[in-house]
Amino acid sequence: QLVLTQSPSASASLGASVKLTCTLSSGHSSYAIAWHQQQPEKGPRYLMKVNSDGSYSKGDGIPDRFSVSSSGAERYLTISSLQSEDEADYYCQTWDTGMVFGGGTKLTVL
Amino acid sequence: QVQLQESGPGLVKPSETLSLTCTVSGGSISSYYWTWIRQPPGKGLEWIGYIYYSGSTNYNPSLKSRVTISLDTSKNQFSLKLTSVTAADAAVYYCARVAVLAATPAQVDIWGQGTMVTVSS
Repeated sequence: QLVLTQSPSASASLGASVKLTCTLSSGHSSYAIAWHQQQPEKGPRYLMKVNSDGSYSKGDGIPDRFSVSSSGAERYLTISSLQSEDEADYYCQTWDTGMVFGGGTKLTVL
Repeated sequence: QVQLQESGPGLVKPSETLSLTCTVSGGSISSYYWTWIRQPPGKGLEWIGYIYYSGSTNYNPSLKSRVTISLDTSKNQFSLKLTSVTAADAAVYYCARVAVLAATPAQVDIWGQGTMVTVSS
């Protein structure tokens, strides 16, 4: 069964960097995923898609502070030079016969 | 740029049918998949189903018996019907565009702003 696993929470200081992880279930390490950001009281926004080989595509207007990478079954979203508006929930999403979302990571900017 | 806007009743009675419409502006509904996703208060995202511009559909197995997604290309709209609703169906409902990769659906790349639906008598 295709499942995405995310840590429920993460925190980092203003101006620092943070790396969020999304783990694909066993047997699905070749899958691409997408990252979405949901700021408080807002709808989600598509950030980026990352493939298993680390190649990626970005959504419109996404700052260069956001980057992605891959290693095995793990897909990463790194946010550098953290700003207050980066405090949000981050969801990973993938697809097979249907669409699957991770449980989300709540990022706190200290 | 392409924008999506959900519309429909914000309050539905238990056992009745939830009906929502998504209007696509700034682009054609053709050549993409279109999806509905919901988010109960304080919880994560749940995929409901999607429709291709050709009319083919795929639904979340957990909701399949109650869900219908349809398309009106003349109005650049697609719609959601969810029957026999209960309190567990109360959520913010989002419509979204799905990118196409090798003729199959891939990532959501444009989201609507969402609409809250409450289930109560």
